[in-house]
Amino acid sequence: DAEITQSPRHKITETGRQVTLACHQTWNHNNMFWYRQDLGHGLRLIHYSYGVQDTNKGEVSDGYSVSRSNTEDLPLTLESAASSQTSVYFCASSDMRGGAGAPDTQYFGPGTRLTVL
Amino acid sequence: GENVEQHPSTLSVQEGDSAVIKCTYSDSASNYFPWYKQELGKRPQLIIDIRSNVGEKKDQRIAVTLNKTAKHFSLHITETQPEDSAVYFCAASISGGYQKVTFGTGTKLQVIP
Repeated sequence: DAEITQSPRHKITETGRQVTLACHQTWNHNNMFWYRQDLGHGLRLIHYSYGVQDTNKGEVSDGYSVSRSNTEDLPLTLESAASSQTSVYFCASSDMRGGAGAPDTQYFGPGTRLTVL
Repeated sequence: GENVEQHPSTLSVQEGDSAVIKCTYSDSASNYFPWYKQELGKRPQLIIDIRSNVGEKKDQRIAVTLNKTAKHFSLHITETQPEDSAVYFCAASISGGYQKVTFGTGTKLQVIP
């Protein structure tokens, strides 16, 4: 079955360290997204990609970067982790044609809980 | 860009009663409106969606209505059950290859047995 996975599921790091969160999907989707979820703010878009070598900034992109070298993966890097980046991070994917799923539906990964001390 | 407002932020209902969550959007080009349910500690999952060429869609106990003129859409849950307790997110987007979804801030629904 198609799926989207994230690793690690939990991460504790220190201020100033570089951190990379992995996202892998087997839905055969062109679109991939990274969101952060904080109480009172819902899901806020960090970065997104419409295909290989394509990346775009979302509404809260400062301090984060992504790269898309293949269809399946969109790793999220925190260049220098800050306490304000403590959050739950969700990766999602979608495709207008649906791929292995329904058209336009975003399928979410299980999330990564990141704590920056 | 798109702005989605969602109300209420919390909602408590007695088991068996109905629950209604309302959202408004700002971009008249938006044409795809999904609703996601997120249980505690889990990932958001699609429960129903509606496209702009449809005014209402129903799936068992849940229904969604869309008013394009007023730019608002609503989720209706009838005969609520304790397992409906979760956070619900509305969203708005433009369907197609270059999708970008804007989410509301969520409604925490508590169904009291």
